[in-house]
Amino acid sequence: GAVVSQHPSWVICKSGTSVKIECRSLDFQATTMFWYRQFPKQSLMLMATSNEGSKATYEQGVEKDKFLINHASLTLSTLTVTSAHPEDSSFYICSAGTDTNSPLHFGNGTRLTVT
Amino acid sequence: LAKTTQPISMDSYEGQEVNITCSHNNIATNDYITWYQQFPSQGPRFIIQGYKTKVTNEVASLFIPADRKSSTLSLPRVSLSDTAVYYCLVGGPGNTPLVFGKGTRLSVIA
Repeated sequence: GAVVSQHPSWVICKSGTSVKIECRSLDFQATTMFWYRQFPKQSLMLMATSNEGSKATYEQGVEKDKFLINHASLTLSTLTVTSAHPEDSSFYICSAGTDTNSPLHFGNGTRLTVT
Repeated sequence: LAKTTQPISMDSYEGQEVNITCSHNNIATNDYITWYQQFPSQGPRFIIQGYKTKVTNEVASLFIPADRKSSTLSLPRVSLSDTAVYYCLVGGPGNTPLVFGKGTRLSVIA
């Protein structure tokens, strides 16, 4: 089946630094990738939609200058959390899809802890 | 984007069949129904997808009535390892985002 890989699986960083998370579709070309955030005991919240070669579309309330998304190829999207603060600590999950009716597949998530 | 409603939690004993029903009254004509399973600190894992009637795979069955306003995920003979949160989502092709509801927390008891 389709595999989506996320890296790193966990990261600890200091306040004010930036962190980059990678999302790769390993065995298919993803026209679209999605970034979600999940706080403890809560559901996944969609942050942004990333299309290859174009600017990402952000959900209401998500700061595009803080959460930089780059989708430079059909197999790689990156999320950079800039000037991280402790409240950015969360579980970040990406998913990838094509323009068919095949289901979305999700990465295994990245646990970000900002100290 | 169609919203979904599921029971917040369910308990079951090992070996029993578990049915989780999801309502999606505003489902669109081109929407598919997809169920995912999530364990703590992991990404959601695809279980099954359907459009209408019944779909079965090696882990579950999905029942969808003719009006498609609800769906039922059936897990046969659950085990302790099936303890997880189950999400029902509706949406179009894979280049449209899926909006997650609160999901159903299934606890399987020995």
